Amino acid sequence: DAGITQSPRHKVTETGTPVTLRCHQTENHRYMYWYRQDPGHGLRLIHYSYGVKDTDKGEVSDGYSVSRSKTEDFLLTLESATSSQTSVYFCAISESGQDASETQYFGPGTRLLVL
Amino acid sequence: SQQGEEDPQALSIQEGENATMNCSYKTSINNLQWYRQNSGRGLVHLILIRSNEREKHSGRLRVTLDTSKKSSSLLITASRAADTASYFCATNAGGTSYGKLTFGQGTILTVHP
Repeated sequence: DAGITQSPRHKVTETGTPVTLRCHQTENHRYMYWYRQDPGHGLRLIHYSYGVKDTDKGEVSDGYSVSRSKTEDFLLTLESATSSQTSVYFCAISESGQDASETQYFGPGTRLLVL
Repeated sequence: SQQGEEDPQALSIQEGENATMNCSYKTSINNLQWYRQNSGRGLVHLILIRSNEREKHSGRLRVTLDTSKKSSSLLITASRAADTASYFCATNAGGTSYGKLTFGQGTILTVHP
């Protein structure tokens, strides 16, 4: 998985609790992304980062926040988890965001169940 | 709504047959990419085609792009049971999009031995 790890890999939590998912890369890539994958929706972008402390919202950012204090780590926080945030979360990285030959490399995913 | 819409949603074939998946999108793009996802795993990049390209090959994969119709197709020739997976198209709008991709809902391919 191209030097990308996600933790935890599985998590069960209760509605209303905060949850933080971690993405760690060893590729020194500048760009990092958080997606969620749900049946019938494919992958949807939650937030992305184009550098340390530089982040922006994606398509489905409500209820989520992110932080990137180091190149290698990108954290996704569910401020107050809801059942609608039950999903599989994928982190991805890319070396450059503005090159026409750019591709993304994905982590193994985190399965989150909110009860 | 999703930028990419894929067709068919599911495809079941026999080993040795060819598999064709189609992707349509709505807005102008910089490039279009195809990814593969095995069950329970992350996505793996297969091939990228730029907006000024019409066809690209990689091993048993052939991708075409028709920007006038805003559509792309992925052909897998001589399929194998190991090709069983979900396949996604993803579009990149270029410019200041910071490499953001918009994914289709995917095609589930099952190849029977």
